[in-house]
Amino acid sequence: NAGVTQTPKFQVLKTGQSMTLQCAQDMNHNSMYWYRQDPGMGLRLIYYSASEGTTDKGEVPNGYNVSRLNKREFSLRLESAAPSQTSVYFCASSVGRTNSYEQYFGPGTRLTVT
Amino acid sequence: GEDVEQSLFLSVREGDSSVINCTYTDSSSTYLYWYKQEPGAGLQLLTYIFSNMDMKQDQRLTVLLNKKDKHLSLRIADTQTGDSAIYFCAENLSNDYKLSFGAGTTVTVRA
Repeated sequence: NAGVTQTPKFQVLKTGQSMTLQCAQDMNHNSMYWYRQDPGMGLRLIYYSASEGTTDKGEVPNGYNVSRLNKREFSLRLESAAPSQTSVYFCASSVGRTNSYEQYFGPGTRLTVT
Repeated sequence: GEDVEQSLFLSVREGDSSVINCTYTDSSSTYLYWYKQEPGAGLQLLTYIFSNMDMKQDQRLTVLLNKKDKHLSLRIADTQTGDSAIYFCAENLSNDYKLSFGAGTTVTVRA
């Protein structure tokens, strides 16, 4: 049981390049999330998907797009990377509207934009 | 920015107790969580507490909740070197499935 997996683990991009971060979960969860983690700022929500077929903006959506490909997979795309997007990106999933709302996290993707 | 506040650093001697504090602002939060992040890894859920509880104990971990002051704490008894990590407090916003995280407290355990 892998839980939440993310690829790649590390990535270096040049300014203006594009890339897609992949996330998959095998827990049959309904909701999935993308966060970025920056030093001293905790986790900030970029986008989330409450259920298959829906996506919504979080706190910091500018410069990103997402696709909920199916119930298992939720990808994050950077169309034109900027140095301000250098960060660690985490995908998470949760059952959805339930009793305790806890989220389960992947190992992260460390992205550097030069 | 966060609505959840934590001190950024805590240093503790091995074998002592650690207490990590957190304040939150959403009085309608239903659940409050503690996550642990070890170096280079993702966040791992340690424990959570329902808002109608004052305390929850799980082995070496004790969570205390003061709803009046919107204060949450995590006590780790007999702190070990493996407890060195960043600890995040999070709240469930108004029964929504979104969570709001604090900036994290870096706990360093010294011999």
